[in-house]
Amino acid sequence: GAGVSQSPSNKVTEKGKDVELRCDPISGHTALYWYRQRLGQGLEFLIYFQGNSAPDKSGLPSDRFSAERTGESVSTLTIQRTQQEDSAVYLCASSPPGLANTDTQYFGPGTRLTVL
Amino acid sequence: GQQVMQIPQYQHVQEGEDFTTYCNSSTTLSNIQWYKQRPGGHPVFLIQLVKSGEVKKQKRLTFQFGEAKKNSSLHITATQTTDVGTYFCAGTMNTGFQKLVFGTGTRLLVSP
Repeated sequence: GAGVSQSPSNKVTEKGKDVELRCDPISGHTALYWYRQRLGQGLEFLIYFQGNSAPDKSGLPSDRFSAERTGESVSTLTIQRTQQEDSAVYLCASSPPGLANTDTQYFGPGTRLTVL
Repeated sequence: GQQVMQIPQYQHVQEGEDFTTYCNSSTTLSNIQWYKQRPGGHPVFLIQLVKSGEVKKQKRLTFQFGEAKKNSSLHITATQTTDVGTYFCAGTMNTGFQKLVFGTGTRLLVSP
């Protein structure tokens, strides 16, 4: 079946512009994560959605970052007034329903964001 | 905050040599997962360990979960060039939001 998809695959924008990144999780997956990965660095947790629970936004680096999720489907990550330090690959991952401590994360291919 | 550290950050080996990466958590984990990210790719799930002291093998890869469930290791025997990539551990904390917390990663380079 289809995996996690993300769009666009690449985004080049000018400093100060807003961008919106999209994630389509695997159908039926209740958990969805957003991560940021700078070049050569590890995964930086941004936000976590689990079913209808309030999302864990503890990883969002500033109020310029926000994310929404419609039910258990598509999620969008919005970055307002982009800065050069926002340049990174933004990865989305989803997990199937079940016990929280046994979920495997399935990653999308990521969106490479470049802020000029 | 909750932290999961990995050592070393980077290792360069000759093909055929062994490799080990260690994962250490500041808090007790419910489980530990391992992921591999090839250069230019995204992380891909390798395995999950749940029980204290658990050891699992996948061909040349051996995964271990510590008795205290605060550390883990991944050992690769006789590395091959296809093993190149970054290896991440990820654990679910026993407290808090129950989300998966990724380690800092170990980047492995294998020379032929």
